[in-house]
Amino acid sequence: TQLLEQSPQFLSIQEGENLTVYCNSSSVFSSLQWYRQEPGEGPVLLVTVVTGGEVKKLKRLTFQFGDARKDSSLHITAAQPGDTGLYLCAEGNTGTASKLTFGTGTRLQVTL
Amino acid sequence: NAGVTQTPKFQVLKTGQSMTLQCAQDMNHEYMSWYRQDPGMGLRLIHYSVGAGITDQGEVPNGYNVSRSTTEDFPLRLLSAAPSQTSVYFCASSLQGELRSAFFGQGTRLTVV
Repeated sequence: TQLLEQSPQFLSIQEGENLTVYCNSSSVFSSLQWYRQEPGEGPVLLVTVVTGGEVKKLKRLTFQFGDARKDSSLHITAAQPGDTGLYLCAEGNTGTASKLTFGTGTRLQVTL
Repeated sequence: NAGVTQTPKFQVLKTGQSMTLQCAQDMNHEYMSWYRQDPGMGLRLIHYSVGAGITDQGEVPNGYNVSRSTTEDFPLRLLSAAPSQTSVYFCASSLQGELRSAFFGQGTRLTVV
């Protein structure tokens, strides 16, 4: 079973700060997805990355897939309280988005 | 557009009781799955289905049964609840294909006492 390690586990920052969270794997990803989960809700997909070295931007969020496809990062610029939540990386190593292996998550709190 | 609907949202069971967690999706997705989420452990796959009549085990299937008689519904059954099954349960669905998004329900918080 592929292991996905996310760091840091917890992050508490003030509005306007920048942050980066990481997702590392014990083996090569076939593809990687990032989800955000708010309290009392299910995870919601943010992005899917496929190609080594790929960079995708979603407003203030920048996602990078490592060249060797064994790691990924999520960078948030000028964090806002609305970014608060649990950020999860997930790998669909068997060709279906409904059989995902999730990381343990990074819980982000952004305060005013 | 309801998406993925889970019922109930909260449930308390006594050890040894049985119950069924319901999951329904209205997006005509082929794939459906059940995950449990425990503190510090992320989401772990319990069972999944690639279409009506087809189910398979995930990472943590023991103590759970599933069936998929229709495309829309994928219930999860606990035959004899144990305290170790206290968790938040999420149902997800997706179209066929690796790069497709999984759409999740809002979860069922289950406590077994």
